[in-house]
Amino acid sequence: QSVLTQPPSASGTPGQRVTISCSGSSSNIGSNYVYWYQQVPGTAPKHLIYRNNQRPSGVPDRFSGSKSGTSASLAISGLRSADEADYYCAAWDDSLSGWVFGGGTKLTVL
Amino acid sequence: EVQLLESGGGLVQPGGSLRLSCAASGFTFSSYAMTWVRQAPGKGLKWVSAIGDSGATTYFADSVRGRFTISRDNSNNTLYLQMNSLRGEDTAVYYCAKALGTTCYSGFDYWGQGTLVTVSS
Repeated sequence: QSVLTQPPSASGTPGQRVTISCSGSSSNIGSNYVYWYQQVPGTAPKHLIYRNNQRPSGVPDRFSGSKSGTSASLAISGLRSADEADYYCAAWDDSLSGWVFGGGTKLTVL
Repeated sequence: EVQLLESGGGLVQPGGSLRLSCAASGFTFSSYAMTWVRQAPGKGLKWVSAIGDSGATTYFADSVRGRFTISRDNSNNTLYLQMNSLRGEDTAVYYCAKALGTTCYSGFDYWGQGTLVTVSS
């Protein structure tokens, strides 16, 4: 079981907007930044969102992150087939003194 | 261009040891914390260990504490993970990743391509 909870799957049609949730606790999301990573199967994870809602250069503004209390979410608008991947949230956990990840959400573009 | 190249993976028997290396280039290695993350076959990402920019601060996941050691050589831009008393559940692709800052809780941005460790008799 992962410390951060994500839905195992999400789906949408091209052009739609999808949201992936990430639920934690006061020791991780509630007191630290949330990060999001995209992983196409068979490849290394890619940095997608940092410090809750910041996009690295090169990441399209179709991707956005938000955080409220002990939960966070990743939104993808204008869905494309290239967005099919696994998405992971992560945060530092003060109680564990380490990083915790969500179990990952597999996004399917129908 | 930031590049991280892991090496040292392979097949090892239960109870054995392995040392992973991560050669870094394209950034000032000594100014950033580094981390190891693993992914068992068909499973999600799991954090393993992190080390601060100077090497003075280290953190470990409960599952590897006491068996794994993390270190770095800032003069040679290389990160290491010494893995002892290996178990079947340590079988995974091991990724090294660069932190966003000097501290282990800075978050990480660039990832290597990973090296596969298989623990089996």
